[in-house]
Amino acid sequence: KQEVTQIPAALSVPEGENLVLNCSFTDSAIYNLQWFRQDPGKGLTSLLLIQSSQREQTSGRLNASLDKSSGRSTLYIAASQPGDSATYLCAVGFDTGNQFYFGTGTSLTVIP
Amino acid sequence: NAGVTQTPKFRILKIGQSMTLQCAQDMNHNYMYWYRQDPGMGLKLIYYSVGAGITDKGEVPNGYNVSRSTTEDFPLRLELAAPSQTSVYFCASSQTGTASFSGANVLTFGAGSRLTVL
Repeated sequence: KQEVTQIPAALSVPEGENLVLNCSFTDSAIYNLQWFRQDPGKGLTSLLLIQSSQREQTSGRLNASLDKSSGRSTLYIAASQPGDSATYLCAVGFDTGNQFYFGTGTSLTVIP
Repeated sequence: NAGVTQTPKFRILKIGQSMTLQCAQDMNHNYMYWYRQDPGMGLKLIYYSVGAGITDKGEVPNGYNVSRSTTEDFPLRLELAAPSQTSVYFCASSQTGTASFSGANVLTFGAGSRLTVL
């Protein structure tokens, strides 16, 4: 069974700090991995998509890295802001099916 | 651009009632998905469709049915609602499936439908 894990479940940091969110997956045979942001009571917004052949993707203050051999991805947020407060989820597209498997998310709070 | 539209946003059902959650997308996406999200849990796939007339089960299909008669619409039917179906339901779409290296498999989500079964 494919599993995706995100640790920690919650994280609180002061404004301006750089931070890293983690995503682990059980099978290194993946097509791609996506990072999403979810605000309370809202749907998910795609942040970054990283293909299995790529090592990282960047968008503004966000940088996602992928290490297939160790089954890990990280989402780096630079110079955090209170507006970054949300839940961040990763979703993995394994090559054994046609669905994305989601982690349980990390709830981020950036304190002004 | 509407993207993915879900209705209703909120609904309370009694045990044994039935209802349909509606999902429509205007991006001409081939793939559509229904997920449920329970507190503290990740999203679990209920059903998905790779195109009009083609649907398949996800991880947690029991108690649900789907149909896809058009590219735009992908309704989710709950038959004989049970308290275990209390959840937030998300519809999503993408141009391609997971096996894509073009970036066309980025998922676009609706705002969600919160269902309570009492």
